[in-house]
Amino acid sequence: ILNVEQSPQSLHVQEGDSTNFTCSFPSSNFYALHWYRWETAKSPEALFVMTLNGDEKKKGRISATLNTKEGYSYLYIKGSQPEDSATYLCAPNSGGSNYKLTFGKGTLLTVNP
Amino acid sequence: EADIYQTPRYLVIGTGKKITLECSQTMGHDKMYWYQQDPGMELHLIHYSYGVNSTEKGDLSSESTVSRIRTEHFPLTLESARPSHTSQYLCASSDPGSATEAFFGQGTRLTVV
Repeated sequence: ILNVEQSPQSLHVQEGDSTNFTCSFPSSNFYALHWYRWETAKSPEALFVMTLNGDEKKKGRISATLNTKEGYSYLYIKGSQPEDSATYLCAPNSGGSNYKLTFGKGTLLTVNP
Repeated sequence: EADIYQTPRYLVIGTGKKITLECSQTMGHDKMYWYQQDPGMELHLIHYSYGVNSTEKGDLSSESTVSRIRTEHFPLTLESARPSHTSQYLCASSDPGSATEAFFGQGTRLTVV
């Protein structure tokens, strides 16, 4: 199991603001990091799966970076929109055929119009 | 689009009843997971499976049991429901490999009265 910390726990921003939040994990024994978005009344949906140190992935206005040496990943949202309101979950894992997908507590983002 | 289905979506049942929550996926995924989320709380892994005839307990102790007789089917059973079992239960599946995304079902919201 990789212990994971997500911060902040919750965040309120205005429409149009850019924002970011953090997923921290032990840097040893790391293999991959997953980011998911979970909107109210819907199922969690994968945003990114990242494995390489220094990797940066982008999907529309959302991007993520990964630092495996220091054990953190940032998720950025540029120009937040109300539809970005959701809980953002990260799940690091140590790989291997027997890995299990366990999540942090998440960051609850609310974008006010 | 994810092809993973959970039934029922909502269930209200009396204490002491036996219940089975169904989860089926048509993607041929070997890995399947059950998560539990209490209101306002984080997503906890309670069971997972690497494939047919493989089941493991997750990070959160649960009185539920699971079975995996067929690749596509991963039902969760509570032999005697109690009010403390009231929660949302989410099922997910993924291909093998630590860097593959998981797909989630819509969840079952269980209320035990």
